[in-house]
Amino acid sequence: SAVISQKPSRDICQRGTSLTIQCQVDSQVTMMFWYRQQPGQSLTLIATANQGSEATYESGFVIDKFPISRPNLTFSTLTVSNMSPEDSSIYLCSVGLGSGNTIYFGEGSWLTVV
Amino acid sequence: AQKVTQAQTEISVVEKEDVTLDCVYETRDTTYYLFWYKQPPSGELVFLIRRNSFDEQNEISGRYSWNFQKSTSSFNFTITASQVVDSAVYFCALSEAERNSGTYKYIFGTGTRLKVLA
Repeated sequence: SAVISQKPSRDICQRGTSLTIQCQVDSQVTMMFWYRQQPGQSLTLIATANQGSEATYESGFVIDKFPISRPNLTFSTLTVSNMSPEDSSIYLCSVGLGSGNTIYFGEGSWLTVV
Repeated sequence: AQKVTQAQTEISVVEKEDVTLDCVYETRDTTYYLFWYKQPPSGELVFLIRRNSFDEQNEISGRYSWNFQKSTSSFNFTITASQVVDSAVYFCALSEAERNSGTYKYIFGTGTRLKVLA
């Protein structure tokens, strides 16, 4: 497995502002993902963070709203831009490792937009 | 298309009871992986088990056991002698390689909230 650290763990944000979430992994990983989990819901993949190139976004998610950086194989950031209350969610960083590419998750970042 | 169904939205049991969480999946591929994750109230998703599509052996780990049946496309999870600390949301997930890119795509079920009452 891997140790995946996310910051911030929680935040309360004003609508219209942006927040950047950081994800640090204790080893180099190829596959890194960002998920969103809205209250009481399942996980939805936002994008795959590709090292050295633009992220690959899933349907319904766009770079302007969720810009992602992946400068190296151990670090990534997700920015939630121009936030609205609908963006209140847990945002989870995850990495794929080992046979079967098991994905492991960070502790999550709980964002509340007021 | 890929799909993971966890029909049980919420289950409540009394401590020491056994409980089974159901997971049914759909996939086109013959090679795929199935997972279970636990999400306690703290929010972190904890990996519990991975099973590949060629390995139908059931697995037991302490009070946890998993029953994988390809014939019914099910991967059920049983907790024996449940404890209050087992209270969490449990997610079943499926992954398979995307044909064009070879990268893995993961689909999560909607989760089952388990409440274990003292």
